[in-house]
Amino acid sequence: GAGVSQSPSNKVTEKGKDVELRCDPISGHTALYWYRQSLGQGLEFLIYFQGNSAPDKSGLPSDRFSAERTGGSVSTLTIQRTQQEDSAVYLCASSLSYGRLNTEAFFGQGTRLTVV
Amino acid sequence: GDSVTQMEGPVTLSEEAFLTINCTYTATGYPSLFWYVQYPGEGLQLLLKATKADDKGSNKGFEATYRKETTSFHLEKGSVQVSDSAVYFCALSDPGGSYIPTFGRGTSLIVHP
Repeated sequence: GAGVSQSPSNKVTEKGKDVELRCDPISGHTALYWYRQSLGQGLEFLIYFQGNSAPDKSGLPSDRFSAERTGGSVSTLTIQRTQQEDSAVYLCASSLSYGRLNTEAFFGQGTRLTVV
Repeated sequence: GDSVTQMEGPVTLSEEAFLTINCTYTATGYPSLFWYVQYPGEGLQLLLKATKADDKGSNKGFEATYRKETTSFHLEKGSVQVSDSAVYFCALSDPGGSYIPTFGRGTSLIVHP
């Protein structure tokens, strides 16, 4: 596609339910990132995928959060047993990579998650 | 570790005023520096970038110069418009450090007619 695509754009869920957020990166981009943006806060890094390497999960806030990337393309972020503090906009981005050098990140429109 | 510090907002200006949004960084290696902009209701998009010292990135009348000696990348525009109202994020990508793009907290700009 022309850009990074995320779905759904909005998700309202009940506390305790599981949710899955999807990201379709730009074709050919080997690096994929998930960030979280809370109201009035900056971008909080969650997880990073680079090609076939093991993902960098150092930003995941708890073991309720997990993500996978299938076939080096589409990624799914899963939040289990959602809590109200999980309410935020979840952003996905992708970029080209040359070794450890990542070029500028291209962002999707985000998924606004509201836990009620 | 790598970090980015940018001035607190909101910054409120009248149309045609001069804009400066300060950004300083800490990095282990030699980072690339970026400014992203998020217009109301939209996703983040790259505004400009610089990859080495003394480089000047520019786009849509905005400029920022990579200053290694002061570890800064301040965003400037000579004459802002109402349509520039948005949140601006300074960011870095450091191949010698975390290599994951690190963002500042964002600065909200409000431009009045």
